[in-house]
Amino acid sequence: QLQLQESGPGLMEPSETLSLTCTVSGGSISISGYYWGWIRQPPGKGLEWIGNIYYSGSTLYNPSLKSRVIISVDTSKNQFSLKLTSATAADTAMYYCVRRVTRPEYFDSWGQGTLVTVSS
Amino acid sequence: AIQMTQSPSSLSASVGDRVTITCRASQDIKNDLGWYQQKPGKAPKVLIYVASSLQSGVPSRFSGSGSGTDFTLTISSLQPEDIATYYCLQDYDYPLTFGGGTKVEIK
Repeated sequence: QLQLQESGPGLMEPSETLSLTCTVSGGSISISGYYWGWIRQPPGKGLEWIGNIYYSGSTLYNPSLKSRVIISVDTSKNQFSLKLTSATAADTAMYYCVRRVTRPEYFDSWGQGTLVTVSS
Repeated sequence: AIQMTQSPSSLSASVGDRVTITCRASQDIKNDLGWYQQKPGKAPKVLIYVASSLQSGVPSRFSGSGSGTDFTLTISSLQPEDIATYYCLQDYDYPLTFGGGTKVEIK
């Protein structure tokens, strides 16, 4: 049974870099046919796709965040990570790590989510 | 970016009712649309992909239809455990974009 688990600080100061890691268990991150990604949801609001990464390291980002986002993968640890620079209160959200099937494309597995609050 | 417009934003229905949620894309997205269910305090989960394919393990009372710009999610007989917010997601082009969500409540 594939499981995804987010980890990282729950509270951070404005202007700092938001850093989260997703640990994948019950399956390999290096398998072909899947992307790995991040989606966020501000409290009481809808869902926003942040970006995807393939195990080879190729990435796709949401243009609305592209200048501030880096998604990376560590196949030796079966993990992938999100960094979002220059955080503001608008980045306060539940952050979900996800697996995306490539053909056809859809998100088939989600982590439980981790709430990140940006506040001074 | 492709805009996804969902309606209604919320609805209240009785147990056993047929419930329909619609999603409209701002351009032709073929059949590259998924539906996700998010129960309170939980992560979303996929119900339907490529417009009408039921994800394994999802009850058959859920169905999806449509192509091009107009799509529908139908719950044939609403159950208490279906209380959730439902989102559509276009998988046609990046950036991926979600609809605004439909909150379903029991009357």
